Amino acid sequence: GAGVSQSPRYKVAKRGQDVALRCDPISGHVSLFWYQQALGQGPEFLTYFQNEAQLDKSGLPSDRFFAERPEGSVSTLKIQRTQQEDSAVYLCASSSLRGQGLGEQYFGPGTRLTVT
Amino acid sequence: RKEVEQDPGPFNVPEGATVAFNCTYSNSASQSFFWYRQDCRKEPKLLMSVYSSGNEDGRFTAQLNRASQYISLLIRDSKLSDSATYLCVVNSNNNDMRFGAGTRLTVKP
Repeated sequence: GAGVSQSPRYKVAKRGQDVALRCDPISGHVSLFWYQQALGQGPEFLTYFQNEAQLDKSGLPSDRFFAERPEGSVSTLKIQRTQQEDSAVYLCASSSLRGQGLGEQYFGPGTRLTVT
Repeated sequence: RKEVEQDPGPFNVPEGATVAFNCTYSNSASQSFFWYRQDCRKEPKLLMSVYSSGNEDGRFTAQLNRASQYISLLIRDSKLSDSATYLCVVNSNNNDMRFGAGTRLTVKP
């Protein structure tokens, strides 16, 4: 079946530009997560949705980062006024379970964002 | 100090070798533990969960030592296809998944 998909796969933005990254989770998955992965590092948690409710946004690095999942399926991560330090791979993951620690998360291929 | 620490490697081993990775975590309240595998420029995929009693899946064995707060992964009879980065993942009560930076393994013919 279809896995988690993300678009665009690659995005080059000029510093100061706004970007929107899309995640299509596995159909029916309740939980959706966003992570940021810098080169040579593990994924860093950004935010977590259970259906349409954003239950945890403690990992968002600044108020320039905003995520939504209005209908409990597709999610968008928006970064306003991008900075060079925002350059990273943004990974989306989904899970059929509620909560983060209960089992497997299925990751999408990621969006590689480069801010010039 | 990072919450989850791993030796970044790289570990370069010949085919057929046995290799072990360790991971330490700082939050004693951590409840769930996993090993994920990430191939170059690909997404992480679950390799195995780590149970208190230890668990084995084919050539892979995971162990948890709560007293010393470390997790290990043992790979026996390494294959070329085992070459990847292995991510240690720890979850605490506050619903927060923490990934280590990963240990890179290269298996050579």
